[in-house]
Amino acid sequence: QKEVEQDPGPLSVPEGAIVSLNCTYSNSAFQYFMWYRQYSRKGPELLMYTYSSGNKEDGRFTAQVDKSSKYISLFIRDSQPSDSATYLCAITISSGSARQLTFGSGTQLTVLP
Amino acid sequence: EAGVTQFPSHSVIEKGQTVTLRCDPISGHDNLYWYRRVMGKEIKFLLHFVKESKQDESGMPNNRFLAERTGGTYSTLKVQPAELEDSGVYFCASSRQETQYFGPGTRLLVL
Repeated sequence: QKEVEQDPGPLSVPEGAIVSLNCTYSNSAFQYFMWYRQYSRKGPELLMYTYSSGNKEDGRFTAQVDKSSKYISLFIRDSQPSDSATYLCAITISSGSARQLTFGSGTQLTVLP
Repeated sequence: EAGVTQFPSHSVIEKGQTVTLRCDPISGHDNLYWYRRVMGKEIKFLLHFVKESKQDESGMPNNRFLAERTGGTYSTLKVQPAELEDSGVYFCASSRQETQYFGPGTRLLVL
């Protein structure tokens, strides 16, 4: 079993739709949760990070963590064609120090104009 | 602030040859990481430097891979001799603490 599972998609939505991207993880030691966005031929770009269960909002993006269910989500409101990219969840064990990231496989999102 | 830079952007080599990838982290970031994504798989951790020291090299696949970080600044990842299964995208990332910033990657193709 992979430590982080992510539905690879592809996911295609019309412009303006609400997008829900999800990951599950198996290791309860994971403490620090991130979402990266990766455009084609580019490196992953950090979108959001959070330590705790609950919601964290940044503009059109909301990250949600449920540690009891080992489930994390990223919601994109009013999706735009420019949001078309691969979205990667990434998780690490520690907070307060630097450690390796464990990635999901990525979900490829296309927002149609 | 300049981001993480990687060189070359692409490399095509034949099996058995040697390739050296370079990463320049964000200035002031003591932590430097190498990751790799092979075709159809998730991005996987290779190793982690803190300044010039290897903190964690548990992800290095075998002894054909050698990473160095001179003076705690830039890092190189050498593959010698390269095998077909080494093809993929090699990412470098740097951080002060948890938040890692990634470079654009080096696309390596071994023929």
